[in-house]
Amino acid sequence: AQRVTQPEKLLSVFKGAPVELKCNYSYSGSPELFWYVQYSRQRLQLLLRHISRESIKGFTADLNKGETSFHLKKPFAQEEDSAMYYCALGGWGKLQFGAGTQVVVTP
Amino acid sequence: GAVVSQHPSRVICKSGTSVKIECRSLDFQATTMFWYRQFPKQSLMLMATSNEGSKATYEQGVEKDKFLINHASLTLSTLTVTSAHPEDSSFYICSAKLPGLAGGHEQFFGPGTRLTVL
Repeated sequence: AQRVTQPEKLLSVFKGAPVELKCNYSYSGSPELFWYVQYSRQRLQLLLRHISRESIKGFTADLNKGETSFHLKKPFAQEEDSAMYYCALGGWGKLQFGAGTQVVVTP
Repeated sequence: GAVVSQHPSRVICKSGTSVKIECRSLDFQATTMFWYRQFPKQSLMLMATSNEGSKATYEQGVEKDKFLINHASLTLSTLTVTSAHPEDSSFYICSAKLPGLAGGHEQFFGPGTRLTVL
């Protein structure tokens, strides 16, 4: 069975501080991992996918198959990063979402 | 590119009536669309996978006679909540993926529909 775990429901950080959102997964095959973001009153949108190995809005995420993790990191948080972040695992033709982490960046 | 729309954005109905929600891929053909339900402050729960020209695949615990899905064209899927009751009140979100192997498992999401059943 595929499973995605986001242990933190809420992360509150100060502007300019580093932020790391944890994501662990369980999947028997070769995983396809994503980070989606949902800003207030907006639709869910793709932030990162592990295949792309790129940095978007200063965020990076590295797939660690040994630790079955796909943590999202940003060295300097900005107020506009305040949003709900979902880690998602693609497999068997569908996405399995984690519970989500609410990030609040305070000035 | 890859824009998904939903209509209506909000709907209020009386208990016992049926409500239809439309999901459209605006600039691409979507052979596969998905319907999710999201409760307040909770994650997305997949309800069903909608395949163009065939029956939808429902997730365990989702009543297929309650939530009717039709995917009659490559750009439109509809979700009909039949005989709606207050417990069906929720935020319903659709998504679509690019056809074939393009894009892998990436999905593009609609803005959601807020259903309130009185």
